[in-house]
Amino acid sequence: QKEVEQNSGPLSVPEGAIASLNCTYSDRVSQSFFWYRQYSGKSPELIMSIYSNGDKEDGRFTAQLNKASQYVSLLIRDSQPSDSATYLCAVNKNNAGKSTFGDGTTLTVKP
Amino acid sequence: KAGVTQTPRYLIKTRGQQVTLSCSPISGHRSVSWYQQTPGQGLQFLFEYFSETQRNKGNFPGRFSGRQFSNSRSEMNVSTLELGDSALYLCASSKGQGGDTQYFGPGTRLTVL
Repeated sequence: QKEVEQNSGPLSVPEGAIASLNCTYSDRVSQSFFWYRQYSGKSPELIMSIYSNGDKEDGRFTAQLNKASQYVSLLIRDSQPSDSATYLCAVNKNNAGKSTFGDGTTLTVKP
Repeated sequence: KAGVTQTPRYLIKTRGQQVTLSCSPISGHRSVSWYQQTPGQGLQFLFEYFSETQRNKGNFPGRFSGRQFSNSRSEMNVSTLELGDSALYLCASSKGQGGDTQYFGPGTRLTVL
């Protein structure tokens, strides 16, 4: 079992729809959770970090964390074609610079 | 504030050679982590340096090594290159506290022929 698992994808949604990306992790000591977006040929860029159970909203993005279920998700509202990218979930055990990444979910938003 | 910079951006080497990659973190950041990204294995952690000391290490062979200088800049070295070392090497910087956000540089694309 991988330490961090994401929807295998690819995920395709129409423009304006809500895209839902999911991530589960196996180690209960994990404390910090991150969502990165990676465009093809580029490096990952941070979208959101979340540390406590519940929801965290930033513009069109909402991260949700449930430590009891070992589950973190990212919702993208009003999806735009520019949101088309691979989304990476990262988990950190408060072990400073060592994060474990999922394989990513590729999202395509169709105009 | 300037972001993370990596040099060179692209490298082509042949098997058996060695390579050195460089990373300059965001000003004020003391932690530099290195990751390897390949289509088959995804993003995998290589090692992390903090205050010139290796603080964390991933499961890579000893051919992969690194160091950090007093100004927090870091270098990564791969000796005796293999075809499977072809990858995007990413450097990430953070302040160095547990759970801090890591910010990635643009990466170095290494091709081993």
